[in-house]
Amino acid sequence: NAGVMQNPRHLVRRRGQEARLRCSPMKGHSHVYWYRQLPEEGLKFMVYLQKENIIDESGMPKERFSAEFPKEGPSILRIQQVVRGDSAAYFCASSQVGLAGERPKDTQYFGPGTRLTVL
Amino acid sequence: GENVEQHPSTLSVQEGDSAVIKCTYSDSASNYFPWYKQELGKRPQLIIDIRSNVGEKKDQRIAVTLNKTAKHFSLHITETQPEDSAVYFCAASITNRDDKIIFGKGTRLHILP
Repeated sequence: NAGVMQNPRHLVRRRGQEARLRCSPMKGHSHVYWYRQLPEEGLKFMVYLQKENIIDESGMPKERFSAEFPKEGPSILRIQQVVRGDSAAYFCASSQVGLAGERPKDTQYFGPGTRLTVL
Repeated sequence: GENVEQHPSTLSVQEGDSAVIKCTYSDSASNYFPWYKQELGKRPQLIIDIRSNVGEKKDQRIAVTLNKTAKHFSLHITETQPEDSAVYFCAASITNRDDKIIFGKGTRLHILP
């Protein structure tokens, strides 16, 4: 069972460009969470999505940031008009719903992250 | 909203000794407390978790305790080894409500030879 996949692993953008980060959850998982980690800091919650629904976006900046999780395909975190302060590692995590497993269904498993550098 | 405080921010222990990391949370409705280990440049990995109906849980050299009344929980690593060197994050969540995990700021653990 493949784990959570993220791509690209590294992304370099110039100020003002757009950044698109992709996350494919673990098979059977329908909940996706995005977190941002600044250097030497902890993980900060950004947004929580289920298929075709945004459940909680309270941690996501109101401007320039958007997220989606379509019925088909990966979840996408989109940052428009990037600024230097957007440079960070962006992790997504997924959790399982409705199926019994070794761990409780709400355990979140993280992807390898996308390291965004804004020049 | 929930706030998770973690300390110390840095911890150095001699190889073979024990390490303890402590966290407090603010929302008494929190009922799920995972701990993640993150090695340099890697993803956070779940190492142990505890739910509010349990006071203590152990997995080999790792144990976690939870005091609901005081709203604090701790990670204990015994017989530390070099591969335990990493950043450890505690977290709190209210499952079946919003499932949003709030993380502490992390503890950088150094295992000294």
